[in-house]
Amino acid sequence: EIVMTQSPATLSVSPGERVTLSCRASQSVSSDLAWYQQKPGQGPRLLIYGVSARATGVPDRFSGSGSGTEFTLTISSLQSEDLAVYYCQQYNNWYTFGQGTKLEI
Amino acid sequence: QVQLVESGGGVVQPGRSLRLSCAASGFTFRSRVVHWVRQAPGRGLEWVAVVSSDGNTKHYADFVKGRFTISRDNSKSTLFLEMNSLRIEDTAMYYCAREIGVKDAFDIWGQGTMVTVSS
Repeated sequence: EIVMTQSPATLSVSPGERVTLSCRASQSVSSDLAWYQQKPGQGPRLLIYGVSARATGVPDRFSGSGSGTEFTLTISSLQSEDLAVYYCQQYNNWYTFGQGTKLEI
Repeated sequence: QVQLVESGGGVVQPGRSLRLSCAASGFTFRSRVVHWVRQAPGRGLEWVAVVSSDGNTKHYADFVKGRFTISRDNSKSTLFLEMNSLRIEDTAMYYCAREIGVKDAFDIWGQGTMVTVSS
């Protein structure tokens, strides 16, 4: 099983700040990497797939990068509505998720 | 609009069974691979099972093999998860999710249905 490790677990942020979230895979997942946003009481929302492709309707302040085993989700200027938990997922070898990074004020 | 709506969750005793449903609308259900993903209270996301668009190919996470069965009825645009021999550790919110393509990310998720296994 490919283990996905996200860091940090919790990140204190401020509106307008540039935010960078990290995700590491235990082995190469090629470009088969997605990012999801989850707010309390809601199902996850797809933000990024294929490392860097934005899903439909996702604001361009969200961007993804990386390859192989190291990946990054960047929010260029944090908005209050971005406060949520973010998960990375690999779909190269079945499907596994990271443990999540929570953005809080 | 495109949506998935889960139902069938509830409180059940250990060792008992439960059947979850996921009703799809707004897209051609029979053309898409669909999954079940679960989330224990306060925990992260955990993939459970997947079924191919025609229902003939199914795969499961090791922790549910032999206990859970995924199936679909394309005539009713509905996905199912039959859960047998339930354990306390199966307590979670269960989400259905649509895959973008084949071996791809999940672009549409439902709101989830809660399963609580407790004596």
